[in-house]
Amino acid sequence: EIVLTQSPGTLSLSPGERATLSCRASQSVSSSYFAWYQQKPGQAPRLLIYGASSRATGIPDRFSGSGSGTDFTLTISRLEPEDFAVYYCQQYGSSPYTFGQGTKLEIK
Amino acid sequence: EVQLVESGGGLVKPGGSLRLSCVASGFTFSDAWMSWVRQAPGKGLEWVGRIKSKTDGGTTDYAAPVQGRFTISRDDSQNTVYLQMNSLKTEDTAVYYCSHPGRAAGPLWGQGTLVTVSS
Repeated sequence: EIVLTQSPGTLSLSPGERATLSCRASQSVSSSYFAWYQQKPGQAPRLLIYGASSRATGIPDRFSGSGSGTDFTLTISRLEPEDFAVYYCQQYGSSPYTFGQGTKLEIK
Repeated sequence: EVQLVESGGGLVKPGGSLRLSCVASGFTFSDAWMSWVRQAPGKGLEWVGRIKSKTDGGTTDYAAPVQGRFTISRDDSQNTVYLQMNSLKTEDTAVYYCSHPGRAAGPLWGQGTLVTVSS
């Protein structure tokens, strides 16, 4: 099983700042099957990035994904108030598909 | 419209059974590998299992906590994937989502259905 470890667990930033979220895999992951999600309370996860670096439909360009192999990064260039939420990474190239434990992005 | 719609959630007693359904639209369902994911209250996302397309064998894989209790099946004529849950435990309480992870435009998720296991 591929274990995904997200860091930090909580990130405290102010609107307008840059956010960098990390996801590290216990073994190499296919970039084609790596995604990032945003989740707000009471809502389903929202797909942000797939294929490690492709933005999903309707996602603002302040969100970007990068990485390959075992290290992946989600960057939010300038935080907007609506960006404060929990973020998850997922690999779906190798069963069992796995998720990171989440990074909570909170307002400082 | 491309979407997944889950149904069938509700309150069930420990040891009981429940079947969830997920109806797909807007894509070629018969070609899709489908997954179920759950999220317990206040917790993270947990993959439950998947079913491959019939052309790829139609086989299933499950997460260890549900292996032997949960069964995923599909009816391509109804564009529907099912999650049969037996011998339910209180720790199975969660929102259950179905997902089409292998879509070219990125994984597609439904809005989820809540399953509560309580006496």
